[in-house]
Amino acid sequence: DTGVSQDPRHKITKRGQNVTFRCDPISEHNRLYWYRQTLGQGPEFLTYFQNEAQLEKSRLLSDRFSAERPKGSFSTLEIQRTEQGDSAMYLCASSLGPQLRNEQFFGPGTRLTVL
Amino acid sequence: AQSVTQPDIHITVSEGASLELRCNYSYGATPYLFWYVQSPGQGLQLLLKYFSGDTLVQGIKGFEAEFKRSQSSFNLRKPSVHWSDAAEYFCAVGLDRRARQLTFGSGTQLTVLP
Repeated sequence: DTGVSQDPRHKITKRGQNVTFRCDPISEHNRLYWYRQTLGQGPEFLTYFQNEAQLEKSRLLSDRFSAERPKGSFSTLEIQRTEQGDSAMYLCASSLGPQLRNEQFFGPGTRLTVL
Repeated sequence: AQSVTQPDIHITVSEGASLELRCNYSYGATPYLFWYVQSPGQGLQLLLKYFSGDTLVQGIKGFEAEFKRSQSSFNLRKPSVHWSDAAEYFCAVGLDRRARQLTFGSGTQLTVLP
């Protein structure tokens, strides 16, 4: 257990439905990342926050995706009008600071299946 | 754009045998280099990292990795594999600049035979 928790661990939804995932980082960590991992691939960067500010978004993050970190603590990732291609593991990570020297601690992930 | 290649999708070794997992990166500068391990149902766990200095780095669980600038490689090694090492291993690179996110390889699945 790294101290980063994600909820739910599994989500099955039908195409076209909206889903929301939650990530609770390690409490003193001000940097929070979202990654997506599809079967047989490594995690791919989606977006990151420094406290409550969303500082960068990957091109993978289409308009149907939105992420928030309203009080600089937990974060949510919402996918609207889900598509089968959204099926993946969504990983959250947190770190103490922006430098890569600060280890990113990963949560167990939320596995999304879109039927 | 930066990229990471892990040429071996799946490796099988016997318990007690030595292990080497390959990682090559494509980058204009020397990036920060990482190895992570992912077990089923578990989050990614950092095994070791290289930023600068001694090119042979020691990590947790008896793993080590060697940075070779001339070969753009950062291979992971372990002298004697244990059954509990069976997992998926990811190499990752990052630049400690603007974005500071990690770029991961596609992973190597390790199977350990008794």
